[in-house]
Amino acid sequence: DAGVTQSPTHLIKTRGQQVTLRCSPKSGHDTVSWYQQALGQGPQFIFQYYEEEERQRGNFPDRFSGHQFPNYSSELNVNALLLGDSALYLCASSWGVASSPLHFGNGTRLTVT
Amino acid sequence: AQSVTQLGSHVSVSEGALVLLRCNYSSSVPPYLFWYVQYPNQGLQLLLKYTSAATLVKGINGFEAEFKKSETSFHLTKPSAHMSDAAEYFCAVSDQETSGSRLTFGEGTQLTVNP
Repeated sequence: DAGVTQSPTHLIKTRGQQVTLRCSPKSGHDTVSWYQQALGQGPQFIFQYYEEEERQRGNFPDRFSGHQFPNYSSELNVNALLLGDSALYLCASSWGVASSPLHFGNGTRLTVT
Repeated sequence: AQSVTQLGSHVSVSEGALVLLRCNYSSSVPPYLFWYVQYPNQGLQLLLKYTSAATLVKGINGFEAEFKKSETSFHLTKPSAHMSDAAEYFCAVSDQETSGSRLTFGEGTQLTVNP
């Protein structure tokens, strides 16, 4: 039973570029949430996708956008990258919007130079 | 708004000693509370959760936590530390009414276990 898988594992981008991160949820899960974890801090909620729609959003600018596909996989897009976007981006899946616990992937480490 | 405060960004214990990691929460509605562990270069793994059932919650790897409403606390304990417990631990809270999947995390406590 595959858990949450994220790709790529590491990524280096330049300021101003755009990036797309990918996530496949755990088998049987239909809801995907994205979190940003800056170095030395706890994860912060970016947004949640269910039934291919954004259901909840944290305090992140519109440069952060996402998508969920019919197979429940998801993408996180970040435009106009800033140095401050450097972080570990974690994808978590669950069954249903109001369900816990979350199952986390190992994350994508994004470095913006 | 909900929040959690983890007291002590670094905790060091000897192997075999008691582990106590502190978490206090703030919530205007009944909370769901969680403890997660993160090993280097990995995602978060759920240790245990409180969802308004028993106030003493037992989790994996010998950890447990007690929900104390009067103290707004949800401290994590383990009677005897193992070397393999060295990791970062995060306390998190969510709102029962909105979503158990939208978590607000504390800043984490790095646990070091000395031989």
